[in-house]
Parts: sequence; structure tokens; C-alpha cells
Amino acid sequence: KQEVTQIPAALSVPEGENLVLNCSFTDSAIYNLQWFRQDPGKGLTSLLLIQSSQREQTSGRLNASLDKSSGRSTLYIAASQPGDSATYLCAAEEDSNYQLIWGAGTKLIIKP
Amino acid sequence: DAGVTQSPTHLIKTRGQQVTLRCSPKSGHDTVSWYQQALGQGPQFIFQYYEEEERQRGNFPDRFSGHQFPNYSSELNVNALLLGDSALYLCASSSRELAGWETQYFGPGTRLLVL
Repeated sequence: KQEVTQIPAALSVPEGENLVLNCSFTDSAIYNLQWFRQDPGKGLTSLLLIQSSQREQTSGRLNASLDKSSGRSTLYIAASQPGDSATYLCAAEEDSNYQLIWGAGTKLIIKP
Repeated sequence: DAGVTQSPTHLIKTRGQQVTLRCSPKSGHDTVSWYQQALGQGPQFIFQYYEEEERQRGNFPDRFSGHQFPNYSSELNVNALLLGDSALYLCASSSRELAGWETQYFGPGTRLLVL
């Protein structure tokens, strides 16, 4: 059974710092790995999707990597800004049935 | 394109009651998935509908049921509500043809409070 874990559960850093959020999964048979952002009381916004054959994806200040062999993905945020404050969730899409299995998220606070 | 829409945005019910939540998918999408997100946790997959049939189901009791209409919109029904059903219910749409390659688009969710 696929399990997705995110560490840390919460992170607070000063504005301008580069930071890394971690996501680990137990079953390497994934179709893709996705990173989402969730603002308080709101739905989910997709940030990056890494297909199983890829190693990384980039969008602006965000870079996500995928290492299936070790069951890990990281989300790198460069030059963090207060507007980046949100909860970041990763989700592994299972190869067999396309279901998304989610981590509990990392709550990120960027201090001005 | 309005994206994925859900209604209502908030709902308060009492234990034992029944509730219906609604979702309209993004234009061009034919698959709707429903998720339950308890406070402080990641979403949990409830079920997925395609061609008006339930195609996949997560680990949820039969009290949770759904429906998909010919226009691809969907309903989530929960019977005999329990306090533990209080959560944010998220709907996501995608294209079956591109399943697994195109990210799912999420609606803003319906926040259900069971008293």
C-alpha cells in the first residue's frame, strides 16, 4: 500500500531564503508525482507534475525533483517571498489505477 | 473557462442527516474524482466517476455514494452523517484520455461541518 510522507510538517524561514520541502513514498511504481499548493480555506493549485520517466521539472522559482529508486521527491523554492506562505502537498499517482495518494503537507511561513 | 466549480461552499448539518455536494468539471474534462480532506491532513480519495459510472473507490463506507450526469457534472452524497465526516470535500476533474499525464484540476471545495 502506497504511503506518502512529508517532512517537516511546518517550516518558518525569513524572506529571501532558498528552501527545500521533502516528500517520500513507499512504492516506486508511480505514474507521476505532483506538488500542490493550498492556501487557507481554499482548494488545491497544481504547481508541478513530474512524470515517472522524468527527473525534474521547473516553473519559475520552483524546481521539483524525483528519484523513484529512493522513493523521494523534493520541491526547491528559490528566493522565498511572503506570498509563498501556504501549505504544500505532494501526491503520488499510482501506476495501476491513477489514484492520487497524498502526504499531509508542509505548512510554510515566509517571514517578511 | 470557469474551471472546476463546487456548491455549496459551506454547509452545516447534524448527525444522522444526509448531504449532497455538487461539482461541475472544467470544460473538456470527462472524469470527476472526489476527495475528503480532514483538518491538518492530506486529501483522501473517495471515488472517481467516468461515463456516469464509479470506476475507482477508496476506503470509504457505503454511506458515501455518488453520481455523474451526462454533462459530466457530479454529486457526492453522504448518508447518516457522523461527526467524523466534518471535512473539506474536494472535487477534481481530468480527462480520461490523458489520465495520468494531465494534472487534475481542483475546485475550491465544500466545507462540511457536522454537529
